[in-house]
Amino acid sequence: EPEVTQTPSHQVTQMGQEVILHCVPISNHLYFYWYRQILGQKVEFLVSFYNNEISEKSEIFDDQFSVERPDGSNFTLKIRSTKLEDSAMYFCASTLQGWSGTEAFFGQGTRLTVV
Amino acid sequence: GDSVTQMEGPVTLSEEAFLTINCTYTATGYPSLFWYVQYPGEGLQLLLKATKADDKGSNKGFEATYRKETTSFHLEKGSVQVSDSAVYFCALRTISSGSARQLTFGSGTQLTVLP
Repeated sequence: EPEVTQTPSHQVTQMGQEVILHCVPISNHLYFYWYRQILGQKVEFLVSFYNNEISEKSEIFDDQFSVERPDGSNFTLKIRSTKLEDSAMYFCASTLQGWSGTEAFFGQGTRLTVV
Repeated sequence: GDSVTQMEGPVTLSEEAFLTINCTYTATGYPSLFWYVQYPGEGLQLLLKATKADDKGSNKGFEATYRKETTSFHLEKGSVQVSDSAVYFCALRTISSGSARQLTFGSGTQLTVLP
């Protein structure tokens, strides 16, 4: 069964450092997303990406964040200068289509710990 | 804006007990509704969905009916198993003229089933 793959599973970084989280979406999917879940809190939408550009982003997704699809398979989330409050589980997701009933497939997540 | 209110947890049940996890929503437009499950150490997996009013989603013995009149999508299972222990998330996604609509999640309900 196709799956979304995220690496690394756990990343520890010092405050102020840049991190890049990696995702390989399902190969024929066209829409890509990042969500995050701070421990004990809701899963929150960060950004959606389609046709090589950002479709939507939340207020969380400020100038410290960026996304990129550097090749035909990877989808990355970069945090330029990490803060303690960026510590969370980050989930990548992809969908074949953009309409509301389409199933979103999620990766297993990257746990980011900022120290 | 869109929001999902989910029954607070944690919920602890004995094996073969009946499960209900309440979920209500507020949305502009006509949302599709989802239940996702997160098993320990894993990512989010779609459990079931319903895309229009009065639809019933079902999977693995779980059911949820899209009730437009009460804006609810309660998750039920007649007889839970130890293997059902997980965190359950209610979510919605609205129709939009744009693409790549994101999911709005509830806060999650931790279910523990004891043998």
